Amino acid sequence: EAQVTQNPRYLITVTGKKLTVTCSQNMNHEYMSWYRQDPGLGLRQIYYSMNVEVTDKGDVPEGYKVSRKEKRNFPLILESPSPNQTSLYFCASSSFSGGTQYFGPGTRLLVL
Amino acid sequence: DQQVKQNSPSLSVQEGRISILNCDYTNSMFDYFLWYKKYPAEGPTFLISISSIKDKNEDGRFTVFLNKSAKHLSLHIVPSQPGDSAVYFCAARAYGGATNKLIFGTGTLLAVQP
Repeated sequence: EAQVTQNPRYLITVTGKKLTVTCSQNMNHEYMSWYRQDPGLGLRQIYYSMNVEVTDKGDVPEGYKVSRKEKRNFPLILESPSPNQTSLYFCASSSFSGGTQYFGPGTRLLVL
Repeated sequence: DQQVKQNSPSLSVQEGRISILNCDYTNSMFDYFLWYKKYPAEGPTFLISISSIKDKNEDGRFTVFLNKSAKHLSLHIVPSQPGDSAVYFCAARAYGGATNKLIFGTGTLLAVQP
């Protein structure tokens, strides 16, 4: 089954404790992206990757890092989480940039 | 600056009636528009799309209309069913350059009453 998986689905952490949210897709897509969803703000892009070892900032990249060492995986790293990063996070992939994106199930993060 | 706007945060419709969800955009460079549907605890799923060279696209109960002069698109669901209750996001793509990213609206929560 074609899918995008994210882990963990739910996470509670404390300010400053580094965390990683994993994302994996099995569709051999080149383009992957991370979004955060906040009330009244919709989906905002954090980072994206056009292909392996090619990543770039989206609209709200501050406080986040990403890497793309393999085509299927695109982890999101919060080096020092802060409460304003409490949000619902989605990973997405598509066969090319601007194409129809397939989303993961989401990771709900609470930073205390 | 919100380039894609969904001004109605919520909409309630009776089962069997038409649901109309609206979306406005400001960037005339957008060339492709999509609608996504999102259930609670799930990621958004692609519903229907339309190219800027068309003014209508239909897929079963779902029809998207594009009015380029007004920079407005709408999603019509006929007839509405309780299973259509979800958050609907419109998205737009700006063509050109190496990165043709999608820009999403804020979403409209549709509730279809049985």
